Amino acid sequence: QQQVKQSPQSLIVQKGGISIINCAYENTAFDYFPWYQQFPGKGPALLIAIRPDVSEKKEGRFTISFNKSAKQFSLHIMDSQPGDSATYFCAAAPSGTSGTYKYIFGTGTRLKVLA
Amino acid sequence: GAGVSQSPSNKVTEKGKDVELRCDPISGHTALYWYRQSLGQGLEFLIYFQGNSAPDKSGLPSDRFSAERTGGSVSTLTIQRTQQEDSAVYLCASSLFGYEQYFGPGTRLTVT
Repeated sequence: QQQVKQSPQSLIVQKGGISIINCAYENTAFDYFPWYQQFPGKGPALLIAIRPDVSEKKEGRFTISFNKSAKQFSLHIMDSQPGDSATYFCAAAPSGTSGTYKYIFGTGTRLKVLA
Repeated sequence: GAGVSQSPSNKVTEKGKDVELRCDPISGHTALYWYRQSLGQGLEFLIYFQGNSAPDKSGLPSDRFSAERTGGSVSTLTIQRTQQEDSAVYLCASSLFGYEQYFGPGTRLTVT
């Protein structure tokens, strides 16, 4: 019940295409869903995050779609660029009593955008 | 401003030796987290500290692992009697009141 399932494991997209990464969770106590981007040799960097009171959040070329009833959320990268080639992690967390979010991470998706 | 820093960036140690990994969180951040990332894998939660509360140690894989946070700031993750399966990247993150977690660059630990 604590797992976050992420797919696909790897993804190859042409430049200008749309990259879509999906995550699913089971724990209905989760109420914070961030996405992280990680380049080789670097730590993960927060990309975008959503709470379940909205169904979609957009920041630039990055959009999170959230389906509360299906307990699924996805990251869409529009107009994908070679510079987007990285590993993407979804995460989920319940709000703790102290407001601290203990993340459960997905297993990651390695995205490669072809020039 | 300065982000989360970790040292050393790389550590090679012999099996059976103890190692200490350091994390300097973003100034003012109350929460500090340690994660482990094995090659090609996701992030595995190890431990977190929130203010002066007792740390949540539920992710520590064995009693060879311990961590402390001094003065509500710097944290040290200690691995005693290292084993080859401890080889991984150890990541530290900090957050303000539990919101977005900001990660450091990690320490790559190799146990030979």
